[in-house]
Amino acid sequence: EAQVTQNPRYLITVTGKKLTVTCSQNMNHEYMSWYRQDPGLGLRQIYYSMNVEVTDKGDVPEGYKVSRKEKRNFPLILESPSPNQTSLYFCASSTQPGAGVEQYFGPGTRLTVT
Amino acid sequence: RKEVEQDPGPFNVPEGATVAFNCTYSNSASQSFFWYRQDCRKEPKLLMSVYSSGNEDGRFTAQLNRASQYISLLIRDSKLSDSATYLCVVTPMDSNYQLIWGAGTKLIIKP
Repeated sequence: EAQVTQNPRYLITVTGKKLTVTCSQNMNHEYMSWYRQDPGLGLRQIYYSMNVEVTDKGDVPEGYKVSRKEKRNFPLILESPSPNQTSLYFCASSTQPGAGVEQYFGPGTRLTVT
Repeated sequence: RKEVEQDPGPFNVPEGATVAFNCTYSNSASQSFFWYRQDCRKEPKLLMSVYSSGNEDGRFTAQLNRASQYISLLIRDSKLSDSATYLCVVTPMDSNYQLIWGAGTKLIIKP
């Protein structure tokens, strides 16, 4: 089954404790991205990757890191999480970036930082 | 002003009714437009693209009004299963990778 998977689905952590949210897709998509979704705001892009070893900042990259060592995986790293990073996170992939192309989303990771 | 704006709702609509809502965008050079559907606590899924001439998919009709810079979604004969949040997405002309998302309109269909 074609899908995007994320782990963990739910995470409660404390300020400053490094964490990684994994994202994996089995559709051989080149383009992957991370979003956060907060109440009253649209999905905001954190980072995106056009292909292996090619990553770039989105609209809200501060406090996050990513890597793309393999085509299928695109982990999101929070080196020192803070309470303002409490949010719902989505990983997405598509055959190519942007216009006219459907984005396939993972199920989401709900992160709470206390 | 937000780049993409939607009425957050919720819109409470009786089953079987027709409902329509809009999404306005500020960048007149925007080139691509989409509607995504998001069920509570789930991931967004593509509902339909919006073409310049308007397009229909079953009970759903999407239209683009470039002069007034808005897109619309009309749902006919609404079903209980149409209850969801509908997200509007816009792609700027000067970016082939960026998607600008609206915050969504919540729709509740009541029996």
